[in-house]
Amino acid sequence: GQQLNQSPQSMFIQEGEDVSMNCTSSSIFNTWLWYKQDPGEGPVLLIALYKAGELTSNGRLTAQFGITRKDSFLNISASIPSDVGIYFCAGQLVGGSQGNLIFGKGTKLSVKP
Amino acid sequence: DSGVTQTPKHLITATGQRVTLRCSPRSGDLSVYWYQQSLDQGLQFLIQYYNGEERAKGNILERFSAQQFPDLHSELNLSSLELGDSALYFCASSVGGGSGPQHFGDGTRLSIL
Repeated sequence: GQQLNQSPQSMFIQEGEDVSMNCTSSSIFNTWLWYKQDPGEGPVLLIALYKAGELTSNGRLTAQFGITRKDSFLNISASIPSDVGIYFCAGQLVGGSQGNLIFGKGTKLSVKP
Repeated sequence: DSGVTQTPKHLITATGQRVTLRCSPRSGDLSVYWYQQSLDQGLQFLIQYYNGEERAKGNILERFSAQQFPDLHSELNLSSLELGDSALYFCASSVGGGSGPQHFGDGTRLSIL
């Protein structure tokens, strides 16, 4: 099925570092969402974006809805150990009454050894 | 706690069998979505119900079916199970049937032996 291109696939973080990840698509979306998934749990919604150009923060997390409506990025500032996990971007398609999400393959955040 | 409840948490069964996964949406949410998460395919949308009616279909096999009941809980039925059906199955819910954030349950881990 259709998927978003999410990068990087994985990254190692040291406490205090800033982290960036992004998603691109060939399709236009009217909503972008960012989720975090911890082992054994379901994805937890971090940030939802509804308008092209929108920049939204949730604590140390900041996400933007790209102007072309085909991309989004997520930044985490001053990372802490509990930021470890898998982050997914998801886009919601334009038009119709369907609300299903298209997911990226995830960015896995691990602590630097 | 997302407010979305899925049971059972784990299910182990054999090829050829049939299983039923259950989901209770968040209070007030009318839409229920089912997703499959596997290592190679990531999170894939299966099917959406809105207020008891099927709203959208994704990559759902013919061996799989779902329904949403008057109390808005939903069941996903998987039959003639194959080894490749082993995956995490997530339910998500949202208020409306179109755009809007989706909140996920903690999933059912299905293992086919």
